[in-house]
Amino acid sequence: QVQLVESGGGVVQSGRSLRLSCAASGFTFSSFGMHWVRQAPGRGLEWVAVVWNNGIKKHYADSVTGRFTISRDNSKDTVSLEMNSLRVEDTGIYYCARDLCGGDCVGWFDPWGHGTQVTVSS
Amino acid sequence: DIQMTQSPSTLSASVGDRVTITCRASQSIKNWLAWYQQQPGKAPKLLIYEASDLQTEVPSRFSGSGSATEFTLTINGLQPDDFATYYCQQYATYSRTFGQGTKVEIK
Repeated sequence: QVQLVESGGGVVQSGRSLRLSCAASGFTFSSFGMHWVRQAPGRGLEWVAVVWNNGIKKHYADSVTGRFTISRDNSKDTVSLEMNSLRVEDTGIYYCARDLCGGDCVGWFDPWGHGTQVTVSS
Repeated sequence: DIQMTQSPSTLSASVGDRVTITCRASQSIKNWLAWYQQQPGKAPKLLIYEASDLQTEVPSRFSGSGSATEFTLTINGLQPDDFATYYCQQYATYSRTFGQGTKVEIK
């Protein structure tokens, strides 16, 4: 079945870096855009970044632009999030999610992975 | 960015009740709106897309309506499994935005 599994979370000091990965299975990965969404403790959902199916076009939330980089490897069915200059406010659960579509279009998210916890300490 | 505002933030209800959650967009998003359910400790789950289309295997007691800037999610006959937090999301732009969430609690 369609599945997304995140990994790479952990505890890191402010200013350091962390790389998250999301492994996809059960569908043609190269046909879909992929997103990262985060959720701070006790808070709502915040969209972080998207990479379209060809891996070239990307878009970021203002809060992470210049610090985070989304990428994908269609040969390995994985999407990654490189997080640099981490801040305490980046703490939360990070989910990857599949877009409805793959190219220059927009859609809803389904499915979502189970999430990976990132904690940034001061 | 398009701002999404949900109301109420918290809703207390009983099993069997009919509940309605409202989501307003800061500008027209046509019908490019999705609703998600998040149970404690779990990932969000898609319920409704394009404002009113029910995702496969989602119970028919869930329904969505609206267009442009005003949308509603209705649950007819609340079940124990429905006590959760609900989020609306616009996908009219590349920068997707979510409402702040509505927590449905047991009265």
